[in-house]
Amino acid sequence: RKEVEQDPGPFNVPEGATVAFNCTYSNSASQSFFWYRQDCRKEPKLLMSVYSSGNEDGRFTAQLNRASQYISLLIRDSKLSDSATYLCAVNGNSGYSTLTFGKGTMLLVSP
Amino acid sequence: NAGVTQTPKFRVLKTGQSMTLLCAQDMNHEYMYWYRQDPGMGLRLIHYSVGEGTTAKGEVPDGYNVSRLKKQNFLLGLESAAPSQTSVYFCASSLNTAKNIQYFGAGTRLSVL
Repeated sequence: RKEVEQDPGPFNVPEGATVAFNCTYSNSASQSFFWYRQDCRKEPKLLMSVYSSGNEDGRFTAQLNRASQYISLLIRDSKLSDSATYLCAVNGNSGYSTLTFGKGTMLLVSP
Repeated sequence: NAGVTQTPKFRVLKTGQSMTLLCAQDMNHEYMYWYRQDPGMGLRLIHYSVGEGTTAKGEVPDGYNVSRLKKQNFLLGLESAAPSQTSVYFCASSLNTAKNIQYFGAGTRLSVL
């Protein structure tokens, strides 16, 4: 099993749709989980941390499932501006001072 | 409000040339990282540092060296560039906390001909 795995997509959705991405991780001892957003030819930017109890930030909801070792990101009411690549990141594979990133899931929101 | 600054933004090298990429952060972060990002490969950790004067190897360290002489700066060196090192290089930094939220610079696009 790869350390951190994501469906590369692309996910093509219309404006207003709800879309969800999953990210699986292999290290059961991982403690920190994040979703980053990366626009084309730009740097990754933190979208949200993922907490054990799940957390919401506006239209975005992140969940952690430790039993099945995956995190999820739900985007409601998709906007054109949500088009980007979404990277998940997990710590613990090389010590807790590093993160391992997934290869990203591309989202394309169309009018 | 600079955050993480990388220089240069773009560079073209010939095979065998050397260069140094500079990363500077003004957030007083303990940890700093160098990644490379290639199509289909995602972000891969080259080297990292958990404090001034310390460095450690990441997933793909071969062909690169680093130095962290000052807390705010993390340098990535290519002694003899190869075409396989053509990539986008990102620097990141984070606080010394278990949460380890990393903040990225804008990247350096390097082409080795």
